Amino acid sequence: SQQGEEDPQALSIQEGENATMNCSYKTSINNLQWYRQNSGRGLVHLILIRSNEREKHSGRLRVTLDTSKKSSSLLITASRAADTASYFCATDAGGNKLVFGAGTILRVKS
Amino acid sequence: DGGITQSPKYLFRKEGQNVTLSCEQNLNHDAMYWYRQDPGQGLRLIYYSQIVNDFQKGDIAEGYSVSREKKESFPLTVTSAQKNPTAFYLCASSILNNYGYTFGSGTRLTVV
Repeated sequence: SQQGEEDPQALSIQEGENATMNCSYKTSINNLQWYRQNSGRGLVHLILIRSNEREKHSGRLRVTLDTSKKSSSLLITASRAADTASYFCATDAGGNKLVFGAGTILRVKS
Repeated sequence: DGGITQSPKYLFRKEGQNVTLSCEQNLNHDAMYWYRQDPGQGLRLIYYSQIVNDFQKGDIAEGYSVSREKKESFPLTVTSAQKNPTAFYLCASSILNNYGYTFGSGTRLTVV
């Protein structure tokens, strides 16, 4: 069962622009995490936001969490060609196991 | 360097054959996980283990088996009962409770 659903499915932007990806989920969570996957590779953990947090920053990444709407967003500022990848949200609803969404494919054109 | 290693990178399975995918970590993580990824889809949980000699089924455990005899190792066997095994398999590990996962680089399994 997929808990998180990302939106949009695909996003194409120019280098230097900001990229925003959204994630919605269905049940109460302990935390929500974002991962990046380059083609044919494993996933890389980007950021974790706990259920009692509303916003978190890491470098060019900004994540927000709205537990009342069961949604999260990932903002990548000043995007670079190297940001081209698939981005997944994953939710931990307890039991220490993550449930992943289908992902957003981001293409940054140089 | 600490990390998680999956082998082989590519694996070909004949019909009716069992194959085992290796996953080893030297991060001293308690929990380990196996996920399956199909094209255009997210990751689906096959099995997970939070402690040595114990593991639980995920959402799609049928046709798969695992063991956790050592903290560092969590091999996945794809049995002949798995009718559609062609996929990208990802192993991950984590410290329990509110920490992110570290993923291996994956094994691409193809039925020939």
